[in-house]
Amino acid sequence: SYVLTQPPSVSVAPGKTARITCGGNNIGSKSVHWYQQKPGQAPMVVMYHDRDRPSGIPERFSGSNSGNTATLTISRVEAGDEAVYYCQVWDSRYWVFGGGTKLAVL
Amino acid sequence: QVQVVQSGSELKKPGASVKVSCQADANIFVGYVVNWVRQAPGQGLEWMGWINTDTGNPSYAQGFTGRFVFSLDTSVNTAFLQISGLKAEDTAVYYCARGDSSGSDPLGFWGQGTRVTVSS
Repeated sequence: SYVLTQPPSVSVAPGKTARITCGGNNIGSKSVHWYQQKPGQAPMVVMYHDRDRPSGIPERFSGSNSGNTATLTISRVEAGDEAVYYCQVWDSRYWVFGGGTKLAVL
Repeated sequence: QVQVVQSGSELKKPGASVKVSCQADANIFVGYVVNWVRQAPGQGLEWMGWINTDTGNPSYAQGFTGRFVFSLDTSVNTAFLQISGLKAEDTAVYYCARGDSSGSDPLGFWGQGTRVTVSS
């Protein structure tokens, strides 16, 4: 089965740039979606199809996907961005989630 | 704003069954599938499978066959997850979310989650 690998945690100071990676075999050939989950809340989409932002998601959020790594980049990080971020891909017949990355804003 | 509302928390004993509901306040499930996602305490998201609201056909991910059953009541825009023979390891928050049957779009319209606790 397809495996997505994320770092357990990423720490960043306010105003700096956070990069959250999602590794998978030839993931660049797949469409990657990213979810943000805050404590006690359901996940919500912050990036889809690698680099498309849903309405309401700030332009500070961007995405890329190439080779074996997809990346969610959050510029000018704010305290409100602190959450767990999950990547997701469709693998033939199944949805696969990464293990999640906790973004800590220092 | 369209909402998806799930049933409330459940506390069950090992061996019992539980049925979780997921109701949309509009016909947003029509033509789509309803996915189920499990999140064990302190853990990540795990896709359980889906049910196609057009055909009623369920599809189960590995590890979610046998004790897990997806069903629908389209007359009230509601999907159900039933788990039988509950075990302690079934303790989790269960989410429903709309998706498409080709996996081309992300999961949207999530319910708020239903916490199921299995304890003697």
